[in-house]
Amino acid sequence: GAGVSQSPSNKVTEKGKDVELRCDPISGHTALYWYRQSLGQGLEFLIYFQGNSAPDKSGLPSDRFSAERTGGSVSTLTIQRTQQEDSAVYLCASSWDSPGTQYFGPGTRLTVL
Amino acid sequence: AQSVTQLDSQVPVFEEAPVELRCNYSSSVSVYLFWYVQYPNQGLQLLLKYLSGSTLVESINGFEAEFNKSQTSFHLRKPSVHISDTAEYFCAVSETGTASKLTFGTGTRLQVTL
Repeated sequence: GAGVSQSPSNKVTEKGKDVELRCDPISGHTALYWYRQSLGQGLEFLIYFQGNSAPDKSGLPSDRFSAERTGGSVSTLTIQRTQQEDSAVYLCASSWDSPGTQYFGPGTRLTVL
Repeated sequence: AQSVTQLDSQVPVFEEAPVELRCNYSSSVSVYLFWYVQYPNQGLQLLLKYLSGSTLVESINGFEAEFNKSQTSFHLRKPSVHISDTAEYFCAVSETGTASKLTFGTGTRLQVTL
């Protein structure tokens, strides 16, 4: 079946602009995660959604970052007023409820000029 | 909170030689353990995982890892590597129970040469 998909695959933006990154999880997966992978910080957890529970936002680096998940499926990660340090690959993953084997999408490479 | 340490950032090895990639973790609660692999220009793929039961787990392509609770380790081994094993390998942990976020190590780049 289809895996996790993310769009766009690449995004180049200017400092100060807002960006939206999209994730389509595997159908039926109740949990959805966002991570980012950068040279300086490695793989970092950002946020995760589990069913109808309140999301765990503990990994978001600042209030410029937000995410939503509509209808328990598609998720959008929004970064407002982008900064150069936001440049990274943003990865989305999904899983069934338990135990958590996470399946990753190909990522969105964000470059902030 | 959990943390994962992968002491070796790079491991060069000749083809058909054995290899061990080290992973140690720290956690105040029970954890699941994972190894993910990232081939050049590709996404993260699950290689193997320990959830419970036998402490020795194996992948379909010849890798194995052993959970050692007393040493808080989950080292990855392969008795004979192939050129196609060249990739970045990430060790990760998550809390047991329901779906939970992964905490990753910094990764080990395995470079296999002839």
